Amino acid sequence: DAKTTQPPSMDCAEGRAANLPCNHSTISGNEYVYWYRQIHSQGPQYIIHGLKNNETNEMASLIITEDRKSSTLILPHATLRDTAVYYCIVRSGGSQGNLIFGKGTKLSVKP
Amino acid sequence: NAGVTQTPKFQVLKTGQSMTLQCAQDMNHEYMSWYRQDPGMGLRLIHYSVGAGITDQGEVPNGYNVSRSTTEDFPLRLLSAAPSQTSVYFCASRWEARGVKGYTFGSGTRLTVV
Repeated sequence: DAKTTQPPSMDCAEGRAANLPCNHSTISGNEYVYWYRQIHSQGPQYIIHGLKNNETNEMASLIITEDRKSSTLILPHATLRDTAVYYCIVRSGGSQGNLIFGKGTKLSVKP
Repeated sequence: NAGVTQTPKFQVLKTGQSMTLQCAQDMNHEYMSWYRQDPGMGLRLIHYSVGAGITDQGEVPNGYNVSRSTTEDFPLRLLSAAPSQTSVYFCASRWEARGVKGYTFGSGTRLTVV
């Protein structure tokens, strides 16, 4: 699985968009970008994944650059409940390998 | 679906005691795994199973045993608890959709060994 780099922490004002970056410069062609988040004391929660195209679901949007070396998770209208650690993980979609977590980005949404 | 259910939510053990952390899922997922998370750190894989009767070690397996007799259940056993095993334990199962695999986690068991 390709290595990812995320900032250790970010702040965002409530109601504003939160843009969380992730660098994955060694990503290979068959590897997906996954995002999970972990709200304090809870288990990690799947958010979204993408391969090449931008993706959107009810939780977030994922923007992947054309060269696929970086991506941004966007929470369009952040709320206090979005305060969490966000993990960007790169792995092949059909990988039988285990999910490996880095340290992620601690997002603090402030009133 | 209840998803992934972990019990107990909290446990205090004395050094040397043994116990079993329970994990059950009702989604018919073949793959299940156990992670531990220490303060300020990411999750580390302890053991995993790709199906009933099959288990394997992860990154930090020492001091833990697992078995998988059914698809639904994947218990984690601490043989002789040590203070170093004080941690939050998460169980996860893996789903697949359109060729992509994702994970569903339980809410965790917070274990303190004194």
